[in-house]
Amino acid sequence: VQLLESGGGLVQPGGSLRLSCVASGFSFDTYAMNWVRQAPGKALERVSDTTSSGYNTYSADSVKGRFTFSRDNSKNTLYLQMNTLRVDDTAVYYCARRAWNSWYFDLWGRGTLVTVSS
Amino acid sequence: QTVVTQEPSFSVSPGGTVTLTCGLSSGSVSAAYYPSWYQQTPGQPPRTLIYGTYTRSSGVPDRFSGSILGNKAALTITGAQADDESDYYCMLYLGSAIMMFGGGTKLTVL
Repeated sequence: VQLLESGGGLVQPGGSLRLSCVASGFSFDTYAMNWVRQAPGKALERVSDTTSSGYNTYSADSVKGRFTFSRDNSKNTLYLQMNTLRVDDTAVYYCARRAWNSWYFDLWGRGTLVTVSS
Repeated sequence: QTVVTQEPSFSVSPGGTVTLTCGLSSGSVSAAYYPSWYQQTPGQPPRTLIYGTYTRSSGVPDRFSGSILGNKAALTITGAQADDESDYYCMLYLGSAIMMFGGGTKLTVL
């Protein structure tokens, strides 16, 4: 049972990046999935929640209008499309599984680092 | 704007007991906020310790316990060990699919 993020890297301000999170070992299509980020030396920040079907998504005000969230249940994959990136988007981005029918995270990926810098 | 509050730092002696708290900038925390607690060491992803106020995640030692103390959620570590030195984050469910982390508590064991 694991989550594996990929797609992080260095990008210039105003640029775009797409992160992926591949799930294995569990029924991906029955769980809501989240992105949680952590800027260097800062606290955890929940960025998004995508329901099991992908029809409903919550996103933090800090990323609304710039980030879009999706999932492909046939590929057991969660996506984060980041556009108009800012320096303060620099963070480790974790994929996290929201426990079934509940409001906490019961599985975390190892994270992928996104650095926004010129 | 609601803020989830935690002590920025705390210290405990090896073998001692420490209680970390999780509050709201306005209002009281109850079990209805479904408090959960996460432990994080540098360079590692968070580890889920406690959910639903009291329930320990699989594999979490029983020296970790969760509760409601007064108007806050609380994480108590009884018999602290050196490898409990970590950052601890609480998270509350605020309704309407909003889950919010606190600012974290850096725990030193010395």
